[in-house]
Amino acid sequence: QVQLQESGPGLVKPSGTLSLTCAVSGGSISSSNWWSWVRQPPGKGLEWIGEIYHSGSTNYNPSLKSRVAISVDKSKNQFSLNLSSVTAADTAVYYCARESDVKYYFDYWGQGTLVTVSS
Amino acid sequence: QTVVTQEPSFSVSPGGTVTLTCGLSSGSVSTSYYPSWYQQTPGQAPRTLIYNTNTRSSGVPDRFSGSILGNKAALTITGAQADDESDYYCVLYMGSGIWVFGGGTKLTVL
Repeated sequence: QVQLQESGPGLVKPSGTLSLTCAVSGGSISSSNWWSWVRQPPGKGLEWIGEIYHSGSTNYNPSLKSRVAISVDKSKNQFSLNLSSVTAADTAVYYCARESDVKYYFDYWGQGTLVTVSS
Repeated sequence: QTVVTQEPSFSVSPGGTVTLTCGLSSGSVSTSYYPSWYQQTPGQAPRTLIYNTNTRSSGVPDRFSGSILGNKAALTITGAQADDESDYYCVLYMGSGIWVFGGGTKLTVL
């Protein structure tokens, strides 16, 4: 059973960089899957941020592309999210998720981690 | 900017049937968008219900079904139960590695 676990600071200052890591267990990040980040501001809906393949190939939400970087660390079986120049609007629960290698959907999700942007 | 549309809220009586939809601000949803549906209760991560338009994820009761209705993807709950009261999200694969979530539907069972 694949498990995903997000980790990182719960508080980030405005104009700073939000950095999170998603540790993958029960499976290999080098499998035929893409790996995504999704966020959810308090009381609002889900927003896809971007995805990465173990080769390092990435795709990003056009609305966030200028501030987002997703990377992979195969040696640690994890992938990471960096979001720069954050504002209060970036306050959200951040989820990591695995995309099925068979069809286009998210088959495993992390539990999510709340990141608050505040001074 | 592509917008995926969902009803903000819906209400269904226990035992009743409800159909939630997932549309596009411009154009029609087809199977080529591989619509999938997720259920989320407060404080929890989303749970996968339906993928590839109409395939139920493992362990999902058969009262949940997916389809294309007209120009939208649809999630139908037949015989709604109290614990179906949740937020429901659809997501469409737009191609070229881009995903777009709908705004979600808050379903009330009463």
